[in-house]
Amino acid sequence: DQQVKQNSPSLSVQEGRISILNCDYTNSMFDYFLWYKKYPAEGPTFLISISSIKDKNEDGRFTVFLNKSAKHLSLHIVPSQPGDSAVYFCAARLNTGNQFYFGTGTSLTVIP
Amino acid sequence: DTGVSQDPRHKITKRGQNVTFRCDPISEHNRLYWYRQTLGQGPEFLTYFQNEAQLEKSRLLSDRFSAERPKGSFSTLEIQRTEQGDSAMYLCASSPRGWTGELFFGEGSRLTVL
Repeated sequence: DQQVKQNSPSLSVQEGRISILNCDYTNSMFDYFLWYKKYPAEGPTFLISISSIKDKNEDGRFTVFLNKSAKHLSLHIVPSQPGDSAVYFCAARLNTGNQFYFGTGTSLTVIP
Repeated sequence: DTGVSQDPRHKITKRGQNVTFRCDPISEHNRLYWYRQTLGQGPEFLTYFQNEAQLEKSRLLSDRFSAERPKGSFSTLEIQRTEQGDSAMYLCASSPRGWTGELFFGEGSRLTVL
């Protein structure tokens, strides 16, 4: 039962262009959403988050958008850089505790 | 380096053997999590500690799995009578008192069961 879904396993983008990574969820009890970035042989590192009471959060080149009615969030990276090449995981927290649910990840390749 | 530390980084064992993984969280962090990640999947929640208390456990955590955090600092995850299906990356994460929305992950312990 995958409650957080990332339907695109991979994405390739030209350097300088926008990268858009998408995530869908099914559980309306999620109250917090996060994006993590993972390089090979390393643990995931936190990138950006958004509370369910907001619809946008921006941090430098990274912006996360939340559409609660569609149960959809997206991560925009502008401009994309080769160092952004990594696997990106979307995660959501249940409002009942400290359980986080992760998507299956999207592998982003930024082509120089 | 004051990040989350996991040991060993890689463990190869034969089916039926017991294995134990250790996690040292960031020192001020009172919350500690264990996750499991298999190939092509995202991390799956296993269990969560606040200080020394194990507050949540996933249904994924069968009775062959046990986790402890005896003094509210480091934690161990033991798998008894390992099976090939236990082969995965075991990730530990910690977070500080007060909600920041961020988990700090270690580099993981990769288990291979032959």
